[in-house]
Amino acid sequence: AQKITQTQPGMFVQEKEAVTLDCTYDTSDPSYGLFWYKQPSSGEMIFLIYQGSYDQQNATEGRYSLNFQKARKSANLVISASQLGDSAMYFCAMRFINQFYFGTGTSLTVIP
Amino acid sequence: DTGVSQDPRHKITKRGQNVTFRCDPISEHNRLYWYRQTLGQGPEFLTYFQNEAQLEKSRLLSDRFSAERPKGSFSTLEIQRTEQGDSAMYLCASSLQQGRMVETQYFGPGTRLLVL
Repeated sequence: AQKITQTQPGMFVQEKEAVTLDCTYDTSDPSYGLFWYKQPSSGEMIFLIYQGSYDQQNATEGRYSLNFQKARKSANLVISASQLGDSAMYFCAMRFINQFYFGTGTSLTVIP
Repeated sequence: DTGVSQDPRHKITKRGQNVTFRCDPISEHNRLYWYRQTLGQGPEFLTYFQNEAQLEKSRLLSDRFSAERPKGSFSTLEIQRTEQGDSAMYLCASSLQQGRMVETQYFGPGTRLLVL
């Protein structure tokens, strides 16, 4: 069975600092994709970044980067230069075959 | 591109009533997903469509739930004889699956259901 684990229910970060949100996953299949989504209080899920299981390099999208450690089955999200608007829930998700599996999320609060 | 839209945004109903939600995906997207999200949890997969065909349904989707995508465009999710445990946010997402392209889902704003 596929499983996504986010062990940090809540995180705080000072504005302009970097923060790492943890995500581990469990699958026995070599082909999968890993995603991070942001969910502000308005409720809409916003796609942030994607990492394929065969990708050799860590994905980056602006201030977001994904620290992909395949052997450890981890896909941590790094947000650099945090902004107040980054305060939200963050979900890690894995695409396996035709389903997406989501973790329980991490609530990030950026402190001015 | 107007993104994924969902209607209504909020629904309050009494236990035992039927409710129907609508999702309009991004126009060129061929896949459409429905999820349920309860407080403090991530979205849970309910079902998905490839064009008009419903290809997979979760065990979470009891016989009181039915989804359709009749023309491969918009989709509806109906819950019959609602129960208080059905109270949740219902999220719709669409994606374009083409060959080896990365399938990225784009979510709508959700429909928040409260069953009294």
